[in-house]
Amino acid sequence: QKEVEQNSGPLSVPEGAIASLNCTYSDRVSQSFFWYRQYSGKSPELIMSIYSNGDKEDGRFTAQLNKASQYVSLLIRDSQPSDSATYLCAVNIDNNNDMRFGAGTRLTVKP
Amino acid sequence: DGGITQSPKYLFRKEGQNVTLSCEQNLNHDAMYWYRQDPGQGLRLIYYSQIVNDFQKGDIAEGYSVSREKKESFPLTVTSAQKNPTAFYLCASSMWLSTDTQYFGPGTRLTVL
Repeated sequence: QKEVEQNSGPLSVPEGAIASLNCTYSDRVSQSFFWYRQYSGKSPELIMSIYSNGDKEDGRFTAQLNKASQYVSLLIRDSQPSDSATYLCAVNIDNNNDMRFGAGTRLTVKP
Repeated sequence: DGGITQSPKYLFRKEGQNVTLSCEQNLNHDAMYWYRQDPGQGLRLIYYSQIVNDFQKGDIAEGYSVSREKKESFPLTVTSAQKNPTAFYLCASSMWLSTDTQYFGPGTRLTVL
């Protein structure tokens, strides 16, 4: 079993819709969780971090964490074509210096 | 401007050659990392360093070497022992290890001819 799993997609949503990206992880003691956006040929850029169960909102982005279910998600409201990218989920494994990345979900927002 | 720089952006290597990828940061971060990204795959950790003159192997360190002589700099050498070095290489840094957010440089795309 992979430590961090994401649906590779592609996930396609129409402009203005809500995009829902999901990530599961295998290590119960993971403490910190991150979502990165990566445009084709570019490096990942941080969108959000979340450390506690529940929701965390930042503009059009909402991260949701459920440690009991070992699940973290990212919702993008009012999706724009500029949101089209690959979204990487990252999880700090064992609360140490070991960050694990999922393979990413490719999102396409169609005008 | 604070940030992480990597050079070169593109690098071509002949088989049997060693090449060194540069990574510099002026964020005053203690921890630095090197990742490799292959198409359709997540990032895999090559090496990381918590402090100057100290570094640790990641999951795929074979065929790679690093140094950390200055806090700002963490160069990666891809040696001829690395059998499949063609990939996108990403350097990152964070204030400290453990749970802190990692910030990435622009990356170096290495191609073996």
